[in-house]
Amino acid sequence: QKEVEQNSGPLSVPEGAIASLNCTYSDRGSQSFFWYRQYSGKSPELIMSIYSNGDKEDGRFTAQLNKASQYVSLLIRDSQPSDSATYLCAVIQYSSASKIIFGSGTRLSIRP
Amino acid sequence: GAVVSQHPSRVICKSGTSVKIECRSLDFQATTMFWYRQFPKQSLMLMATSNEGSKATYEQGVEKDKFLINHASLTLSTLTVTSAHPEDSSFYICSARDARGQETQYFGPGTRLLVL
Repeated sequence: QKEVEQNSGPLSVPEGAIASLNCTYSDRGSQSFFWYRQYSGKSPELIMSIYSNGDKEDGRFTAQLNKASQYVSLLIRDSQPSDSATYLCAVIQYSSASKIIFGSGTRLSIRP
Repeated sequence: GAVVSQHPSRVICKSGTSVKIECRSLDFQATTMFWYRQFPKQSLMLMATSNEGSKATYEQGVEKDKFLINHASLTLSTLTVTSAHPEDSSFYICSARDARGQETQYFGPGTRLLVL
């Protein structure tokens, strides 16, 4: 089992709709979770961090965390073509000396 | 805030030469920096964790004598690819963790290396 799992996609969503990206992790002791966006040929940029169960909203982005289910998601409302990118889920594993572990990413495509 | 720079952004070198890549945290101090490599259409691969003032910790399968890491100050880490070969051609990305204890990692823009 991978430490951080994401569906590789591509996930195709019509412009204006809600894009839902999902991630599961294996280390039950993890406390810190991040979503990064990576455009092709560029380095990742941080979108959201979340530490507590529940929802955290920032503009069009909402991160959701459920530690009991070991599940974290990212919702993008009113999807725009500029949201087309690969989204990386990242988890800090305290069992691995606080190393941040990245999922392989989900490729999101927003179709006009 | 939280800006990380890398230099150079692109480098082309001949096989057998060494290449040094710099990673700087511009507006914060970073006790820990990380070096990643990413091949086309693949995910980030952590190569090593660089701690200021101590030896780097390398991931399994990464040759420490080939990828030399120096973290001499709280704002600078360098990665030297020694005796580069075409298979070392990749996108090298550093990230830095704020020394004030925050866990978020901020990424540099990356260095694209092409070894001929």
